[in-house]
Amino acid sequence: GAVVSQHPSWVICKSGTSVKIECRSLDFQATTMFWYRQFPKQSLMLMATSNEGSKATYEQGVEKDKFLINHASLTLSTLTVTSAHPEDSSFYICSASSSWQGITEAFFGQGTRLTVV
Amino acid sequence: AQSVTQPDIHITVSEGASLELRCNYSYGATPYLFWYVQSPGQGLQLLLKYFSGDTLVQGIKGFEAEFKRSQSSFNLRKPSVHWSDAAEYFCAVVMDSSYKLIFGSGTRLLVRP
Repeated sequence: GAVVSQHPSWVICKSGTSVKIECRSLDFQATTMFWYRQFPKQSLMLMATSNEGSKATYEQGVEKDKFLINHASLTLSTLTVTSAHPEDSSFYICSASSSWQGITEAFFGQGTRLTVV
Repeated sequence: AQSVTQPDIHITVSEGASLELRCNYSYGATPYLFWYVQSPGQGLQLLLKYFSGDTLVQGIKGFEAEFKRSQSSFNLRKPSVHWSDAAEYFCAVVMDSSYKLIFGSGTRLLVRP
C-alpha cells in the first residue's frame, strides 16, 4: 500500500508555544488529507479535511484559529497547534487519499504524540 | 446522522480461540466499510474493506468480515487468534468518495496465553 509519513512522532512543548506537525504522502499524490485527534483509550475524532490548494474544512467544535491546517502541495499537509495548552495534549493522526489515482482507501500516518507542559 | 457502533469496549480471548468483533452502522446509502487495527502509540493499519460484491471479505493476517445489509452489520472474525493480535480494532464507514472516515469507538482485544 501507499505510504504516509508523519513527523514528528512525538513532541513536548511548553504551554503557549506553537507546534507544527507534518504529514507527507511519499509515493502518491494526496488530493485530500484528513487530521484526526485521539484521546487515550478513545476513538479517532475527525478534526478537519483539507484539499490541496483549498482552505481546510473543520468539523463542528474544532477551533480553526487554534488548529491551522495547510495543504499547499499534493504531498504535504501541516497541522499547527497554536498557543498550545495542556488540554491540547493528545495523539494526532493524519490520513491521505487520492481521488484520481485509482486509490480506494485512506492511508494513515503513524501519529504524533503531543504533550504540552 | 451516520454513525458506527462497536458494542464491545474490550474482549478477552484465549490464544488459538476464535474471535468475532461486532460492528453496526447507521447510514442511508450503501456504505463503504473498513476495519483497522491499531497497536499502542501507533497509526492505523487497514485489515480489510468492503465496497460491493461478495459480502464475505478476506483481509490480512487471517481476518475476514461479513457484510449483512439486513442487520446493518460488518463483523470481523478470525478462526484462531494469535498473541500478536492483541490491539485496538476500529470499524469505520466512509461517507463519500473523499474517504472521510467515521470511526466506531473501538474494541480492545486482549489475548490470554
